[in-house]
Amino acid sequence: AQTVTQSQPEMSVQEAETVTLSCTYDTSENNYYLFWYKQPPSRQMILVIRQEAYKQQNATENRFSVNFQKAAKSFSLKISDSQLGDTAMYFCAFIAGNTPLVFGKGTRLSVIA
Amino acid sequence: KAGVTQTPRYLIKTRGQQVTLSCSPISGHRSVSWYQQTPGQGLQFLFEYFSETQRNKGNFPGRFSGRQFSNSRSEMNVSTLELGDSALYLCASCILSGGHTYNEQFFGPGTRLTVL
Repeated sequence: AQTVTQSQPEMSVQEAETVTLSCTYDTSENNYYLFWYKQPPSRQMILVIRQEAYKQQNATENRFSVNFQKAAKSFSLKISDSQLGDTAMYFCAFIAGNTPLVFGKGTRLSVIA
Repeated sequence: KAGVTQTPRYLIKTRGQQVTLSCSPISGHRSVSWYQQTPGQGLQFLFEYFSETQRNKGNFPGRFSGRQFSNSRSEMNVSTLELGDSALYLCASCILSGGHTYNEQFFGPGTRLTVL
């Protein structure tokens, strides 16, 4: 069974600084997708960024980028120039084949002014 | 295009009762998945429906059931409610093209269920 581990339950960062959220996963699959989802205090979950396992290039979406280390089964999220609106729960998630999304327990990020 | 909608947004029930939650996916999306979110267990997958058929099922007791209608709207039902069923129930929809779920899942705002 696939598992996703987020070892940082809570983190904080100063506005305009950079923060990295960690995620590791365990799978025997070779083809899979990884995601970072953001859940602001209003509770609507939105996709931040996704990475296909077969792509070596790390995904980037504006201020958000990932460091995907397939051999180490690591998938960290870097948020640059943090903004107050980045305050949220961040979930790392994994999917392979026809199996459902598997989520980590989440990291609560607080951006401090 | 309207997003995923869930009704009701909040619900209070007592132990032993049953409850039905509804989810309307984004227009054109044929896959609907349900998740239970609690502080202790995080997000746990309940089930997924596609074209009125259950495609996947999580590890929940038979008290949890669901269905999908021809217009892709989905309902989930929890019978004989227990205190531990108190949670935020999220549904997500996606297009599900090509026979896999690598397409983005769009989440609804959730239904907050409190069991007293």
